[in-house]
Amino acid sequence: GNSVTQMEGPVTLSEEAFLTINCTYTATGYPSLFWYVQYPGEGLQLLLKATKADDKGSNKGFEATYRKETTSFHLEKGSVQVSDSAVYFCALRTDDNQGGKLIFGQGTELSVKP
Amino acid sequence: NAGVTQTPKFRILKIGQSMTLQCTQDMNHNYMYWYRQDPGMGLKLIYYSVGAGITDKGEVPNGYNVSRSTTEDFPLRLELAAPSQTSVYFCASSRTRGETQYFGPGTRLLVL
Repeated sequence: GNSVTQMEGPVTLSEEAFLTINCTYTATGYPSLFWYVQYPGEGLQLLLKATKADDKGSNKGFEATYRKETTSFHLEKGSVQVSDSAVYFCALRTDDNQGGKLIFGQGTELSVKP
Repeated sequence: NAGVTQTPKFRILKIGQSMTLQCTQDMNHNYMYWYRQDPGMGLKLIYYSVGAGITDKGEVPNGYNVSRSTTEDFPLRLELAAPSQTSVYFCASSRTRGETQYFGPGTRLLVL
């Protein structure tokens, strides 16, 4: 079946460090891929998305490229800030999912220290 | 424009009690969803709705019921609470099945 696997957290970085959070997926067909972010005490917010192979999603300095050959959608940021501390979720959606449901990875907690 | 709102924020239930988790969206979205998030796990779909009067089961519907009498509201009902239902519950909505889902802040439920 369809699934998403993320690198385990927590991830702790110093401010201005480079961030990579790995995400790989298993899916039938051609899924759309997403990164959601959850700040403390808040709901999930869409960070970026990509809907077809080789697309690059980007937002707020974060980027992720849809790699069909490696079934991956790794999240990267060149220089993290304390305000990026949050839980990051990778997710996919395929055309055959129930009502457009999202399938999520387990989430990766990021803590950025000043 | 409040987006998706959920109440309550936190609740403790005793085994066998019942309760309703409220979800309201003010974006006139057709699609609404209930997910649960267990510790260290991703979110899993409980129920979803494609419009007023239409609901369907997700991956983990057992022990829950929903209704959708209006476009705005999509309450989730727990009839006989069990410890396995201890979780964080998120409501989400989207205009169509292919568009961005917007999430509420979540309801943390503890069943003892």
